[in-house]
Amino acid sequence: DAGVIQSPRHEVTEMGQEVTLRCKPISGHDYLFWYRQTMMRGLELLIYFNNNVPIDDSGMPEDRFSAKMPNASFSTLKIQPSEPRDSAVYFCASRSLASGSFTGELFFGEGSRLTVL
Amino acid sequence: AQKITQTQPGMFVQEKEAVTLDCTYDTSDPSYGLFWYKQPSSGEMIFLIYQGSYDQQNATEGRYSLNFQKARKSANLVISASQLGDSAMYFCAMRVSGNNRLAFGKGNQVVVIP
Repeated sequence: DAGVIQSPRHEVTEMGQEVTLRCKPISGHDYLFWYRQTMMRGLELLIYFNNNVPIDDSGMPEDRFSAKMPNASFSTLKIQPSEPRDSAVYFCASRSLASGSFTGELFFGEGSRLTVL
Repeated sequence: AQKITQTQPGMFVQEKEAVTLDCTYDTSDPSYGLFWYKQPSSGEMIFLIYQGSYDQQNATEGRYSLNFQKARKSANLVISASQLGDSAMYFCAMRVSGNNRLAFGKGNQVVVIP
């Protein structure tokens, strides 16, 4: 089975531009998570979905960030307008409800490295 | 709130030696799971090992074992017979029952030297 697929792998953009990151979770997984990784703050959970519904977006830094999951096989994380401090690696991850309430590892994509100039 | 602490500075380990990575956690929930992930320089997050709060025995997966001391709230990762490919960042993480958030520590850097 294919793992979690993210695109683009690398994105370089200029401040003020819109950035869209994409994710395809593992087929059959009920949960999808977006994380951001920086040297200063480590791995932060931005938002997660259950069955395509956003459950917890308390980690989304501000209104410039938005995430959608229109169907079970696709999610986007959008930043508009982007700022240099948004530069980070953004990870998408998924897991199955069947793996248990506190058991069951997250399966991560390879990440999207964003650089905002 | 869940809190994961990894405070060791970067570590150099001789090839074929064992290395222990420290992780302490804080939760008042009796039901939780502890995870370790490896992040090599290529950037991907690789799941290594899991320990449940009710598990009676320490988890083991090949060269990885977890030294779980529940009363001390510690879940140290032991890598035996280190290999050059073990050079990476290692993250400890926790999820409590009923909360889907997997919270990560800041990570431990390991460099294996020949």
